[in-house]
Amino acid sequence: GDSVTQMEGPVTLSEEAFLTINCTYTATGYPSLFWYVQYPGEGLQLLLKATKADDKGSNKGFEATYRKETTSFHLEKGSVQVSDSAVYFCALSGDRGSTLGRLYFGRGTQLTVWP
Amino acid sequence: DTGVSQDPRHKITKRGQNVTFRCDPISEHNRLYWYRQTLGQGPEFLTYFQNEAQLEKSRLLSDRFSAERPKGSFSTLEIQRTEQGDSAMYLCASSPPGTNLEQFFGPGTRLTVL
Repeated sequence: GDSVTQMEGPVTLSEEAFLTINCTYTATGYPSLFWYVQYPGEGLQLLLKATKADDKGSNKGFEATYRKETTSFHLEKGSVQVSDSAVYFCALSGDRGSTLGRLYFGRGTQLTVWP
Repeated sequence: DTGVSQDPRHKITKRGQNVTFRCDPISEHNRLYWYRQTLGQGPEFLTYFQNEAQLEKSRLLSDRFSAERPKGSFSTLEIQRTEQGDSAMYLCASSPPGTNLEQFFGPGTRLTVL
């Protein structure tokens, strides 16, 4: 079935460091891919998404490219800030039948950025 | 603009008791989802409504769990005869009609079963 495998954390970086959080997926067809973020004490928020191969999602300096050949959707940011400290979840949504709309999440990666 | 709301935010109960949670989606969102999140894990899908019809249930949803969305607006999730393993955060999300698959999440209800 559909699934997401996400780089395990925690990840600890200094401010202005480069961030990569790896995400690979297994799915039939052409799923949509998402990164959600959960800040301390808050609910899940959509960070970015991509709905077809080679699409690049971007938001708040974060980027991720939908790579069908490697079944990956890695999250990157060139210069992290303390305010980026949060838990990041990779997710996919199937494109057909009963999987349409439901989200499959990875386990989440805790990011801590130190000043 | 009010987002997805959930009530209560926290619930502590004793094993064997029944609990009910409520979710109010964003108005005019016809799709509503329930997820469960345990510590250190990502959310896991439980069930999905389109309007008032429950279209899919995960095998995670045992017979003790039931969800309703009687008028296609708010939804309730009931757990009967709670067990300690039911302790988790229960998340509700909604999404609008059409092909936009973005889901908007509520703050969750944290259940602790003693």
